[in-house]
Amino acid sequence: AQKVTQAQTEISVVEKEDVTLDCVYETRDTTYYLFWYKQPPSGELVFLIRRNSFDEQNEISGRYSWNFQKSTSSFNFTITASQVVDSAVYFCALSEWDGNQFYFGTGTSLTVIP
Amino acid sequence: EADIYQTPRYLVIGTGKKITLECSQTMGHDKMYWYQQDPGMELHLIHYSYGVNSTEKGDLSSESTVSRIRTEHFPLTLESARPSHTSQYLCASGQETQYFGPGTRLLVL
Repeated sequence: AQKVTQAQTEISVVEKEDVTLDCVYETRDTTYYLFWYKQPPSGELVFLIRRNSFDEQNEISGRYSWNFQKSTSSFNFTITASQVVDSAVYFCALSEWDGNQFYFGTGTSLTVIP
Repeated sequence: EADIYQTPRYLVIGTGKKITLECSQTMGHDKMYWYQQDPGMELHLIHYSYGVNSTEKGDLSSESTVSRIRTEHFPLTLESARPSHTSQYLCASGQETQYFGPGTRLLVL
């Protein structure tokens, strides 16, 4: 069965600290996609990144970086030098290769304290 | 990316009323989805469609219905709203990636 686990329900950090959001997934498929979404207080889910199961290279985009490790079935998200605008709920998700079914984690609420 | 629109953004309505939440996308995506979510909480898939005239129920039992007569349009209807329907409804579309609309926050009194 497909499953995504985000064990951290809530995290609080002080501005400028680094923070890592954990995501562990389960799947029997050999090919799949992994995603991260951000949901600010406005409520919209904003797409951040998609990785396919063939590509384990880490990715960096500004202050954001993602660490994908198939060996541990993890797809962790790190925010460097956090800012108040990073305060949001972050969702990790897994999809089948054809993109038909998505499996979302329960989300991690991040609060960045000024 | 998809341009995906939802109306209304906010709706307060009395029990028993019929409502339709609109969702449209301009990217020609075959796949569209409806999720129900209490703010910041887990997303629950309630309906999805893989193309015109194709609709399926999701994991969460819902008293709503959907239709897909045109590729770009995927409205959700509640025949008789109840306070238990109070929630946020998110529409998404996409092929490999789901892109979300701004959501509709529904309050049923």
